[in-house]
Amino acid sequence: QTLVTQESSLTVSPGGTVTLTCASTTGAVTYASYPNWFQQKPGQAPRSLIYSTSNRNPWTPARFSGSLFGGKAALTLSGVQPEDEADYYCLLYFGAIPVFGGGTKLTVL
Amino acid sequence: QITLKESGPTLVKPTQTLTLTCTFSGFSLSPTGVGVGWIRQPPGKALEWLGLIYGNDDKRYSPSLKTRLSITKDTSKNQVFLTMTNLDTVDTATYFCAHNRLFCRGDYCHVDYDYWGQGTLVTVSS
Repeated sequence: QTLVTQESSLTVSPGGTVTLTCASTTGAVTYASYPNWFQQKPGQAPRSLIYSTSNRNPWTPARFSGSLFGGKAALTLSGVQPEDEADYYCLLYFGAIPVFGGGTKLTVL
Repeated sequence: QITLKESGPTLVKPTQTLTLTCTFSGFSLSPTGVGVGWIRQPPGKALEWLGLIYGNDDKRYSPSLKTRLSITKDTSKNQVFLTMTNLDTVDTATYFCAHNRLFCRGDYCHVDYDYWGQGTLVTVSS
């Protein structure tokens, strides 16, 4: 069974920088995995932040950036704001089938 | 402006069949490369991708659920339907539908679930 793994929780100070990662149990994440990143706040639907590794949607603040690093997909938040406290989910494609990661709870403290 | 909204029963008994409707606006399901996906989230747990239907009626399903799922569409009504059979209490979740776009720019192709419905909570209980 294919699993996508993320850090369960991370804490960052306001104004700081934090990197969330997304790994596959089947091997290295590549551009062909089409990594997507979503933000979800309590009681809300997920919101797409990044698609295909590093492409921002029009509503995505510039402080969010996506990349590949060390065989994983990565989401970096630079200059973290209090409103960035949320759950973050990655999505990886295995052929035509996408699989979500378990999510990272980001605390801004 | 793209919007999606899920509707259907909020309470279903075990072993019953669930049918949810996603009613959307702001796009057409006719072109290739445009689809509607279904994703669910049990209370307090992670997102789980269920399946997808494209405008050309191409369909994809989660391997772990494909024997229980069916996704269909009514293009004239701008609706997509999710049918799940033999429900169990573990299927209690918020069910989301989302707009999916698949497009190529230059040498690269991209895929994105860019717009989501608000979700509908389905409880499976006797």
